[in-house]
Amino acid sequence: GESVGLHLPTLSVQEGDNSIINCAYSNSASDYFIWYKQESGKGPQFIIDIRSNMDKRQGQRVTVLLNKTVKHLSLQIAATQPGDSAVYFCAENRAGNQFYFGTGTSLTVIP
Amino acid sequence: DAGVIQSPRHEVTEMGQEVTLRCKPISGHNSLFWYRQTMMRGLELLIYFNNNVPIDDSGMPEDRFSAKMPNASFSTLKIQPSEPRDSAVYFCASSLVAGATGELFFGEGSRLTVL
Repeated sequence: GESVGLHLPTLSVQEGDNSIINCAYSNSASDYFIWYKQESGKGPQFIIDIRSNMDKRQGQRVTVLLNKTVKHLSLQIAATQPGDSAVYFCAENRAGNQFYFGTGTSLTVIP
Repeated sequence: DAGVIQSPRHEVTEMGQEVTLRCKPISGHNSLFWYRQTMMRGLELLIYFNNNVPIDDSGMPEDRFSAKMPNASFSTLKIQPSEPRDSAVYFCASSLVAGATGELFFGEGSRLTVL
């Protein structure tokens, strides 16, 4: 079946190190992807997005890479800070305005 | 802008009772989504509206669940009768259909516990 999934459910990194969170998707028709960050007790918040006509997009301390050949998405966080500790979700836009979310990766930053 | 506003933030009820969750989307947004989040299943899309019209409700678990959007600034998700397995955090999100990014803006969620 078609699904969005994550390779690593949990990730621990030292403060100051770079973090890489991965996501696999199976619907080749998906044309738009978003990474969300969810802190405890809050709703998901937008981090960065990328369209299928791109393979890389950079924001402030974050970079999203898209590999359409293997249907893989990654989020890179540079110089990870304690405030980055959260659950990160990738979401794919399959049709129109419908977004489907992966199961999430929990990132813990060790001071 | 106040963002997406959901109420109640927490609800504890007994099995069999009716539950109504409320959502006020961001002004000017014309798409509204209801998601359910559990540890086991993650974020599941239940239903979404475009210009107050339900477009896809295939994610609604069963007939006990219903959602309405009587106007552009208000939506409800109702569960009747509620069951313990409905315990979850329910999120409402809104977006601009023709927005530059298509980004979803989420509310803080309604945590439902059915005893």
